[in-house]
Amino acid sequence: SQELEQSPQSLIVQEGKNLTINCTSSKTLYGLYWYKQKYGEGLIFLMMLQKGGEEKSHEKITAKLDEKKQQSSLHITASQPSHAGIYLCGADINAGKSTFGDGTTLTVKP
Amino acid sequence: DVKVTQSSRYLVKRTGEKVFLECVQDMDHENMFWYRQDPGLGLRLIYFSYDVKMKEKGDIPEGYSVSREKKERFSLILESASTNQTSMYLCASSSGLSGVYGYTFGSGTRLTVV
Repeated sequence: SQELEQSPQSLIVQEGKNLTINCTSSKTLYGLYWYKQKYGEGLIFLMMLQKGGEEKSHEKITAKLDEKKQQSSLHITASQPSHAGIYLCGADINAGKSTFGDGTTLTVKP
Repeated sequence: DVKVTQSSRYLVKRTGEKVFLECVQDMDHENMFWYRQDPGLGLRLIYFSYDVKMKEKGDIPEGYSVSREKKERFSLILESASTNQTSMYLCASSSGLSGVYGYTFGSGTRLTVV
């Protein structure tokens, strides 16, 4: 998606390491979602952020939305093989439908 | 839990066949969406619907049509399947006019057209 830039495109980390995935837009985001997808499966909703400066955590995954509501980061602490998959950000930019980043493929080496 | 169920996980069809992909959600969501996902292209919106019998074209509607006769069911139709429609198809639903509450996705249908 040109409206949502996600980086990096892929990431290989050693088990136990921390990592960060970024999602950036040139427009104000009215709702920012993070999803995880295992290969060949559907997307699983992780977290939603709506307010500038908002931060949410679930287990070892933390997502933040900046004050301007144009950038979000997803941070995984002490990565595990179970964290491997494709992470996508999605956002409400146009009324009524979401747009998605192209995804970040995460590989965690044991 | 909200569930979005896609009728098939894997499907193989021949070129020229008419293909139906079914999606059912059980949470009374107003909005339903069909995406296709291809490597390097991300998720692309094919069609979406805000209400029964309503449909809107997404970014890549060519070669597809949809049907929403009941609120819980949103069908994607490939009128005459072609090899370039080989892809992963994902159905999603959400509540609210702007989808601001996030989407719930089905498990996907991997369609191969030979």
